[in-house]
Amino acid sequence: AQKVTQAQTEISVVEKEDVTLDCVYETRDTTYYLFWYKQPPSGELVFLIRRNSFDEQNEISGRYSWNFQKSTSSFNFTITASQVVDSAVYFCALSEAGYGQNFVFGPGTRLSVLP
Amino acid sequence: DGGITQSPKYLFRKEGQNVTLSCEQNLNHDAMYWYRQDPGQGLRLIYYSQIVNDFQKGDIAEGYSVSREKKESFPLTVTSAQKNPTAFYLCASSGDRNNEQFFGPGTRLTVL
Repeated sequence: AQKVTQAQTEISVVEKEDVTLDCVYETRDTTYYLFWYKQPPSGELVFLIRRNSFDEQNEISGRYSWNFQKSTSSFNFTITASQVVDSAVYFCALSEAGYGQNFVFGPGTRLSVLP
Repeated sequence: DGGITQSPKYLFRKEGQNVTLSCEQNLNHDAMYWYRQDPGQGLRLIYYSQIVNDFQKGDIAEGYSVSREKKESFPLTVTSAQKNPTAFYLCASSGDRNNEQFFGPGTRLTVL
């Protein structure tokens, strides 16, 4: 069965610091998809990125970057020069190709960026 | 604007009453989902539907019911059988089971 672990329950940083949120996943499928979502205090989950298992290239989008490593089953998320508006709960998720219910979320990491 | 709407944002009910939470999407997505989130916790899947007139139980379906009569709509009923219904409920949709899910703003249900 698939599983997503986010070992960091809460992280606090000071504005402008870089911060990395860890995500480790388990799956027996060779084809799968990984996601990151942001949940600000308003509650709505905001989609950040989707990555398929055949694409290990790192991705950068502004201050956000993602490091996907199949060898360690990790899909880590780095925020560079953090800002107060980055304060939120961040969820990593895994989707397996195949049939049935296949989308599982990690427990989330609460990031607090202090001014 | 395309998106997912959930109403109301806050809902209060007395214990023992059934309550229905609405979820509507105009993204033309086939798949829709209901999640429950408790304070400080992650998301748990209640029900999902991959096509009209079909839906499947998720991890915590007991005490809940759904219908999927239209592609755009996936209402969730919290029944009196649900022992601890106070929570934040999130609805989502996706174009395909492996695509990203898009979420509504959520409904915070409080049972008094």
